[in-house]
Amino acid sequence: DAGVTQSPTHLIKTRGQQVTLRCSPISGHKSVSWYQQVLGQGPQFIFQYYEKEERGRGNFPDRFSARQFPNYSSELNVNALLLGDSALYLCASSLVGPGGTEAFFGQGTRLTVV
Amino acid sequence: AQSVAQPEDQVNVAEGNPLTVKCTYSVSGNPYLFWYVQYPNRGLQFLLKYITGDNLVKGSYGFEAEFNKSQTSFHLKKPSALVSDSALYFCAVRDGGATNKLIFGTGTLLAVQP
Repeated sequence: DAGVTQSPTHLIKTRGQQVTLRCSPISGHKSVSWYQQVLGQGPQFIFQYYEKEERGRGNFPDRFSARQFPNYSSELNVNALLLGDSALYLCASSLVGPGGTEAFFGQGTRLTVV
Repeated sequence: AQSVAQPEDQVNVAEGNPLTVKCTYSVSGNPYLFWYVQYPNRGLQFLLKYITGDNLVKGSYGFEAEFNKSQTSFHLKKPSALVSDSALYFCAVRDGGATNKLIFGTGTLLAVQP
């Protein structure tokens, strides 16, 4: 079975540009969450989507947005990129929504803003 | 607010020796606790979880964790370390709000010397 897949694996962008990251959850998983992991820190929660609706948002500016599609895949968009947005962006899927158990993570997208 | 703490930035152990990676938690209500491992330039891999039941939880790759309610700890253990266990280990707690977001510790780098 395929795990959580993310694309692209690496990305270099210039300050002020916009970026879209993509995630396909494990088959049958309806909940997708996004995390940002800055070098040397633990992952920080950005968004959770369940059944195509936003169920939670972390402490991130409005430059960050996301959506979930009918096939449960998801996109994370970041506008007006800043140098501080450079990080590993992780997508996680889980079997159920709020009240579910463990989350399974993709390999991440390494975003570098120059 | 839910939180976890990993007091050690790095743990060094010789191959074949037992290892312990420490984690303490602070939650309101019953804790849902997790351990994940991250290899270089990779996403997070789920190791084990504690939801309820036995205080000793067995997980992947020979790892286990001991839940101690009185000490609010959830230490990760393995009887005999392998060089291939060298990686970054994260303890996490599930937030008790509307989402099932994970709150991660800062991570502990495990270095197993041959």
